[in-house]
Amino acid sequence: DAGVIQSPRHEVTEMGQEVTLRCKPISGHDYLFWYRQTMMRGLELLIYFNNNVPIDDSGMPEDRFSAKMPNASFSTLKIQPSEPRDSAVYFCASSPQQNTEAFFGQGTRLTVV
Amino acid sequence: GENVEQHPSTLSVQEGDSAVIKCTYSDSASNYFPWYKQELGKGPQLIIDIRSNVGEKKDQRIAVTLNKTAKHFSLHITETQPEDSAVYFCAASTLGRDDKIIFGKGTRLHILP
Repeated sequence: DAGVIQSPRHEVTEMGQEVTLRCKPISGHDYLFWYRQTMMRGLELLIYFNNNVPIDDSGMPEDRFSAKMPNASFSTLKIQPSEPRDSAVYFCASSPQQNTEAFFGQGTRLTVV
Repeated sequence: GENVEQHPSTLSVQEGDSAVIKCTYSDSASNYFPWYKQELGKGPQLIIDIRSNVGEKKDQRIAVTLNKTAKHFSLHITETQPEDSAVYFCAASTLGRDDKIIFGKGTRLHILP
């Protein structure tokens, strides 16, 4: 398996634009997590899914953020409209079952100007 | 919810010396404690984990200790090498209640030649 695949690797967008981040988890993994990493706040859990169902989205900062998992092999994190303070590295991770190793993708570095 | 504190934020040690990173957690129900290493430009990767029924675990030059009474856990790296330079994250999770993995803010470890 190629691991967790995220796209794009880098995204630069203007304030107010819609941004969509994509993730393909490892095949067979039941859990998918979206994290945001910044210097100030470290790795923050935004939302996670179990078997494509959102379980906890309490970490989603605002209504501008939304996440979907239409099937077991694909998830998106959308920001609309984007703001400069959304600039961060966004990671997707998947794990085969609860409380086991989470495998991270390489992240998407988002810059909102 | 769970809160994980990690210290120090930056650590410099001479090559060959030992490095210790300490974490505390707030939720006494947490029972799974993984440690991740993040190299530049990559996603975090699991290096070792410990569950609450174990007080200590060792894997070659890396060891973790857990004190459930004090809600402390630590990462020990012995005989440090240049390739140990990275950011290290501790995390805590709760089996059976929810599946969140909550991370500390990270420790940037520099191995000095």
